[in-house]
Amino acid sequence: GEDVEQSLFLSVREGDSSVINCTYTDSSSTYLYWYKQEPGAGLQLLTYIFSNMDMKQDQRLTVLLNKKDKHLSLRIADTQTGDSAIYFCAERGGNTPLVFGKGTRLSVIA
Amino acid sequence: DVKVTQSSRYLVKRTGEKVFLECVQDMDHENMFWYRQDPGLGLRLIYFSYDVKMKEKGDIPEGYSVSREKKERFSLILESASTNQTSMYLCASTSGNSWEKLFFGSGTQLSVL
Repeated sequence: GEDVEQSLFLSVREGDSSVINCTYTDSSSTYLYWYKQEPGAGLQLLTYIFSNMDMKQDQRLTVLLNKKDKHLSLRIADTQTGDSAIYFCAERGGNTPLVFGKGTRLSVIA
Repeated sequence: DVKVTQSSRYLVKRTGEKVFLECVQDMDHENMFWYRQDPGLGLRLIYFSYDVKMKEKGDIPEGYSVSREKKERFSLILESASTNQTSMYLCASTSGNSWEKLFFGSGTQLSVL
């Protein structure tokens, strides 16, 4: 079945850029997503990208998609302590539930 | 704002008990989902429902059942709780045409002793 892989931990200094990477296996993925989970809360949709796009920018967030390599990344510019959370990559191919990665725990050091 | 409410934030049950986890959404969403979240394993889909009285198995349905008698409510049932069902349970919902815009509840941390 489909699989989404991401590293489990990332630690950055406040003010630096964070880059969270994700790979997926489903070549028919039409949408790819980034969700954020803050401590003690459910997941919130951060941003998403259609599979026919290479890049999407939304304020401090930049999503890059390399469809050939099935690689997705999320860049957070000027990372703040409030960005500390777990970030989940997810994909969808067709009218089926999302497949989530295991989540990357981002720790921001002041 | 869409609200997905899970009835309990923390729950402690004993092995063998029947456990009900309730989830209610207030946006008339057709689709509702139950996930469990475990450290290092991410989110795994247990069951989902496209409409009232409809249910579909997810990736890990064993040991669970669900009920969707009303559109706004989706219940997860553990018929006989076991210690390996200790986990964070997350409910989510979305409208029929917006699969990406999942709205999540805050989760129920279930401990089975």
